[in-house]
Parts: sequence; C-alpha cells; structure tokens
Amino acid sequence: LAKTTQPISMDSYEGQEVNITCSHNNIATNDYITWYQQFPSQGPRFIIQGYKTKVTNEVASLFIPADRKSSTLSLPRVSLSDTAVYYCLVESGNTPLVFGKGTRLSVIA
Amino acid sequence: DGGITQSPKYLFRKEGQNVTLSCEQNLNHDAMYWYRQDPGQGLRLIYYSQIVNDFQKGDIAEGYSVSREKKESFPLTVTSAQKNPTAFYLCASSISEYNEQFFGPGTRLTVL
Repeated sequence: LAKTTQPISMDSYEGQEVNITCSHNNIATNDYITWYQQFPSQGPRFIIQGYKTKVTNEVASLFIPADRKSSTLSLPRVSLSDTAVYYCLVESGNTPLVFGKGTRLSVIA
Repeated sequence: DGGITQSPKYLFRKEGQNVTLSCEQNLNHDAMYWYRQDPGQGLRLIYYSQIVNDFQKGDIAEGYSVSREKKESFPLTVTSAQKNPTAFYLCASSISEYNEQFFGPGTRLTVL
C-alpha cells in the first residue's frame, strides 16, 4: 500500500495559485492518484484523479511526473472559500482508500 | 434528489450505552464505508461493505459493528466496548469499491 506524504499546512493570499505536492515513492503500476477536499464539519469531496502527466478540470489541475513518485495539485487563483484540508490518496485496486492527515490550506484576504 | 444522508447530525450518549448511527443512500451504489475522524486528524476506516450482506473490517473496527441488509442502508453501532467513542463519524458510498466516494454530512457523537 503506497504511503503518501504531504505538507501539514500552507498559507496563501487570495488570487494566488497554490501548489500542494504529495510524495508517494512506492506507488504501484496500477495505482491512481486522487485528491479530496474537506471543509470543517463536512465530509470530503472528490476534486481530481490522475494516472500520469496532467489532468485538468473546472476546479484544479493535477501534475504527475513520469516516475509518478509525486504529484502536485494546483489550485488557480484561490479565494477564501478554498480554505480547507486537502488529502492526497493513492488508489490501489485491492485496498480501500487511506486518508492521511492532509494539508490544511488557509487562504488569507 | 440523489444523495447520502446521515442522522442525527449531533448525538449525545451516556458512557456504557450502545448507539446506532444511520446512513442511507439513494445513489444505487454497491459500496459503502464508515470512517471516524478525530479533531485535527485524517479519516480512519472503521468498516466497509462492497455488497449486500457482506462487510469487512477496516483499520479500527474494534468496538464497532455494522450490518448491510439492504443496498441503501449501512448502519453503524458504537458499542460500549469502544474505549473512546467521541468523534465525528462519516459515511460514504461509491459505485464500486474503487470509484469516487461520496460522503454524507456526518454525525458528531459525544459520549458523556
């Protein structure tokens, strides 16, 4: 089971681009990388998932280098409402998701 | 309006009492999950079920029990054997075990 490591917390000003990097050194060939967002007192919600290179949706972009040992979630022009905890997970085909402590992003006006 | 519901939002119980948390989904999902979250911590998996009448223990199953008699429902019982039951409990479902999980609003249990 691939373990993930990400920063405990990050601060950013409104309007800036935020990049949160996650390391997963022992990711397996068939594993996917998934990011979830959680607001206080709510359940997490899916943001984005990828396998390699770059994935983009209306909310974020996910960059995955060729060796797949890390990934970077990019949030363009963050606002106060993006203040949340962001979880990086590695999805293996035969085990349930493992949510670590995540990265607590604080957006400042 | 499809979704996943948990009730109640807040629950108080006396120490030594069993309590059952409700989780219902109308998304026609096969897989359902229960997580526990303590302040400032990530989510820890208690139990999960891939199909009706079948479930597996997660990382912290001791002191908890579940049932999956219907596809739509996955109730969690916190028994008196759970040493420190006060926490935020989250239920989730997914189409199958390896797809995006949809979470309910959570139940905050406080044991007095």
